[in-house]
Amino acid sequence: ETGVTQTPRHLVMGMTNKKSLKCEQHLGHNAMYWYKQSAKKPLELMFVYNFKEQTENNSVPSRFSPECPNSSHLFLHLHTLQPEDSALYLCASSQDWASGSGSSYNEQFFGPGTRLTVL
Amino acid sequence: AQSVTQLGSHVSVSEGALVLLRCNYSSSVPPYLFWYVQYPNQGLQLLLKYFSGDTLVQGIKGFEAEFKRSQSSFNLRKPSVHWSDAAEYFCAVSDKGGKLIFGQGTELSVKP
Repeated sequence: ETGVTQTPRHLVMGMTNKKSLKCEQHLGHNAMYWYKQSAKKPLELMFVYNFKEQTENNSVPSRFSPECPNSSHLFLHLHTLQPEDSALYLCASSQDWASGSGSSYNEQFFGPGTRLTVL
Repeated sequence: AQSVTQLGSHVSVSEGALVLLRCNYSSSVPPYLFWYVQYPNQGLQLLLKYFSGDTLVQGIKGFEAEFKRSQSSFNLRKPSVHWSDAAEYFCAVSDKGGKLIFGQGTELSVKP
């Protein structure tokens, strides 16, 4: 497979369930991202991992727990979610998370997303 | 802080017509600007980007965008839209740190 893949593509879960979203990139990138896309709202950056280290947590509730075991894989562990957490969760990757002067911007490549419904 | 405003949540044009999608941004530093497209049930695909240089940027699928610093705008256009261009379009801004700030999106409908 090429590019950025996400599994599952669709997920329905109850508020007491525990589930995980998986993202895998085959582009040799070093940075990976989780975004939340809700209806009629801009995409929200949730987490950033750069060289397997978390560099950004955008005030995300603790019921969302990211994990990045290596530069190619990113997980989002879900537990005790709320109905308002229903959304499309998008994963992206880039060459690295540009930080500081002198770094050029690296394009982010997106996966197809996981459509999550919380009942 | 950076922000993006897309003017019009929904645009409808006839096939073959010119389409213009508007984007205004706010940034305290020279911005990096992007347009992404999202087809139904898919992720985002980069159409084009502006970092510096020529203010008219050519992208994929026949799209182009013009950066106007004086108006803080980065509008996207296509001279002759095709039915397959029906999708949602997102404008985004970034500083050198790499963090993307997205607009709310504009849904493009193409009438036969």
